[in-house]
Parts: sequence; C-alpha cells; structure tokens
Amino acid sequence: GNSVTQMEGPVTLSEEAFLTINCTYTATGYPSLFWYVQYPGEGLQLLLKATKADDKGSNKGFEATYRKETTSFHLEKGSVQVSDSAVYFCALRVRGGYQKVTFGTGTKLQVIP
Amino acid sequence: GAVVSQHPSRVICKSGTSVKIECRSLDFQATTMFWYRQFPKQSLMLMATSNEGSKATYEQGVEKDKFLINHASLTLSTLTVTSAHPEDSSFYICSARVPAGGQETQYFGPGTRLLVL
Repeated sequence: GNSVTQMEGPVTLSEEAFLTINCTYTATGYPSLFWYVQYPGEGLQLLLKATKADDKGSNKGFEATYRKETTSFHLEKGSVQVSDSAVYFCALRVRGGYQKVTFGTGTKLQVIP
Repeated sequence: GAVVSQHPSRVICKSGTSVKIECRSLDFQATTMFWYRQFPKQSLMLMATSNEGSKATYEQGVEKDKFLINHASLTLSTLTVTSAHPEDSSFYICSARVPAGGQETQYFGPGTRLLVL
C-alpha cells in the first residue's frame, strides 16, 4: 500500500535558521507528492507540490524536490520566520480512482524569535 | 484560492447522541468531497469519499452505519456520527476536490473538533 513517513516533531528553531523536514514515501505506481501546512486554528493549505521525478516544488521560500531514487520529498527553507510556525504534512496521491491522498503524521514547527 | 467551510467548528455531546457536521464549498462546486479523521499526533486518516448524488465510498474499517455521509448538492456534504461514544472523539476534516483540468487540487476545511462525554 501507500504510506508516508515524516520526521517526528516538534521541531524548534530560532528565527532565520535553516529548516529541513524529512519525508519518505512508499507507493504503488507513480505518485504526486505534496506538502500541506496547517496554521493554528486553520485548515490544511497546499504549500507546494511536485508531480514527477526531479521536479522541485516551491512556495513562500519553501522547497522540496521529488527524488524517485531515494523515494523522498524533503521540505527545506533557508531562513524561517516566526510566522512559519505550523504543522507540516507530507502527502502523496496516486493517479486513478478518486485520487485519494495519503498523509504523513505531520511535523510541528515552532520558530522562536 | 477556493474556500471550504465546516460547521460546527467544535461540538460537545453526550454519549448516545448523534452529531451532524457540515462541509461546504463556498465558491466552487465540488463533485467529490473527502472526510478525514485526525487523532492527536497522528496523520489524517481518510474515512470516506463522497460523490454528489451517489453513495459514499468508505475506507476499510470505517463503519458505514456509524458514520453516515450525505452529498446532496455540489456544495454540501454532511457527516453524521450516529450514537456517538467517547472513542469517536476526534478532529474531523473534510476536503473538496476541484474538478479536473490537469491541476486538480483538494481544498481542506478548518476541521470540526468532536468531544463525546
């Protein structure tokens, strides 16, 4: 079956620090990969996505590269801000059917001033 | 971007009662909506896929008679937790799928916190 594994949190960083949140996956077929972000009290929002190997998704300074050889989609940001504090979910979706999304367990990021 | 709302945002009920949660797509029509359940420190688990005008498709292990899903219109899907028990306490999240076009995306609601006493 399909599964997503991401690093456990919480991750606490100082402002302007470099961020990496690891994500690896197993999937039948050729999935699309996503990072979602959930700010406190809000719903999930799509942060970025990649649909094929070596694609790099990017948004708001965050980046992730679809690595088929290592089945990974690690999230990075060069300089985090306090406003980046949220829970980040790695996810995949395989083609066909209802296009169900499989989520990782989420990683809470706390950025302190 | 597209907006999905859920109502209520939080509900507390007594054991044995039924609770209805609404999921609405506010500025688009969604032929497909998904219902997820999220336990503390765990991932979102897909419960069912809801298609407008047809019966929902439930994931393995999800009781159909326990979690009733109705998708009567292109902008509204409801999840009813029947005869709720404390173990049903959880965070329920819906998402709505924007119809095709090659850049399909799911938009998520803010979630509903259910506490069964």
